[in-house]
Amino acid sequence: GESVGLHLPTLSVQEGDNSIINCAYSNSASDYFIWYKQESGKGPQFIIDIRSNMDKRQGQRVTVLLNKTVKHLSLQIAATQPGDSAVYFCASPDRGNYQLIWGAGTKLIIKP
Amino acid sequence: KAGVTQTPRYLIKTRGQQVTLSCSPISGHRSVSWYQQTPGQGLQFLFEYFSETQRNKGNFPGRFSGRQFSNSRSEMNVSTLELGDSALYLCASSSPGQNTDTQYFGPGTRLTVL
Repeated sequence: GESVGLHLPTLSVQEGDNSIINCAYSNSASDYFIWYKQESGKGPQFIIDIRSNMDKRQGQRVTVLLNKTVKHLSLQIAATQPGDSAVYFCASPDRGNYQLIWGAGTKLIIKP
Repeated sequence: KAGVTQTPRYLIKTRGQQVTLSCSPISGHRSVSWYQQTPGQGLQFLFEYFSETQRNKGNFPGRFSGRQFSNSRSEMNVSTLELGDSALYLCASSSPGQNTDTQYFGPGTRLTVL
């Protein structure tokens, strides 16, 4: 079945370094991808999205890369800060079923 | 523009009781989705509503139900509560249109079943 998954459950990064969170998807027809950040006790917050006609999209300190050949996308966070500590999810819409398909999440831990 | 709001934020119930959770989507959003999130788990899809119609339902027992009103506000109900229903229940709304693209989430309702 269709799935979106993350490679690592936990990522530990030194403060100030760059973070890279990966995500793989199975449906080659997926045309839209979203990254969410969920801080403890809060709902997921939209970070950045990318459509399949793009390879790269940049936001403020974040970049998403999409490799359709290997069905992989990544979220890069530059100069990681303590406030970046959260669980990061990738998601992609299953339009036929009116729902988002979610990855399990990667917990980003910032080391001081 | 106000975000997605959910009430109540916290609930404590005992086994066998029922509970109703409420969600008010972003103004103009007509699609509302509900998710269950348990500790250390991802988001499990419950159901999605658009214009008062349930378009899809996740793999949850019939004790979980929902509805959407004409103003797009939505409620979900869980009957005969079990300990395993303790979770964060999240509501999300989507921008106008038929497709479920970017979903914007509320803060969630933390349900504890004793």
